[in-house]
Amino acid sequence: KQEVTQIPAALSVPEGENLVLNCSFTDSAIYNLQWFRQDPGKGLTSLLLIQSSQREQTSGRLNASLDKSSGRSTLYIAASQPGDSATYLCAARTYGQNFVFGPGTRLSVLP
Amino acid sequence: DAGVIQSPRHEVTEMGQEVTLRCKPISGHNSLFWYRQTMMRGLELLIYFNNNVPIDDSGMPEDRFSAKMPNASFSTLKIQPSEPRDSAVYFCASSLDLSNTEAFFGQGTRLTVV
Repeated sequence: KQEVTQIPAALSVPEGENLVLNCSFTDSAIYNLQWFRQDPGKGLTSLLLIQSSQREQTSGRLNASLDKSSGRSTLYIAASQPGDSATYLCAARTYGQNFVFGPGTRLSVLP
Repeated sequence: DAGVIQSPRHEVTEMGQEVTLRCKPISGHNSLFWYRQTMMRGLELLIYFNNNVPIDDSGMPEDRFSAKMPNASFSTLKIQPSEPRDSAVYFCASSLDLSNTEAFFGQGTRLTVV
């Protein structure tokens, strides 16, 4: 059964810093891995989708990588801004289980 | 497209009452998912459909929970009777299919059972 974990659980950084959020999954037989952002009291916004055949995806200041063999994905945020403050969740899409979510990393970017 | 649309956004009900949550997936999407989010357990998959057919309902916590998808543009999640421990945010999501396509989430329904 797929299990997804995220480290750290919470992170507080000053504005302008580059940062890395980590996601680990136990079953490497995934279709894809998707990163989401959730603002307090809101739904989930899709940030990046990495297919199992891909190594990374980029969107603006965000870069996500995928290493299936080691069961890891990272989300890199460049030049962080206060508006990046949110909870970031990763989800592994696995045959038969579909999306299994990690617990999230709560990010605070201080002005 | 307006995205995945859920209603109501907030629901407060008394214990024992029936609650129905509604979801309209993105047009053209063939797969629909219902999730529940709580502080203690995070996001849990309750049930998902493909082409209007329930594929896996093993995440449905009890027989009090039921879900239907009568057509490609509408799904309901019903709780009868509701209990205080059902209080959570319920999300609906849709994707083109069950494999390698992106999932999109609705804004959720915040359910409070008193």
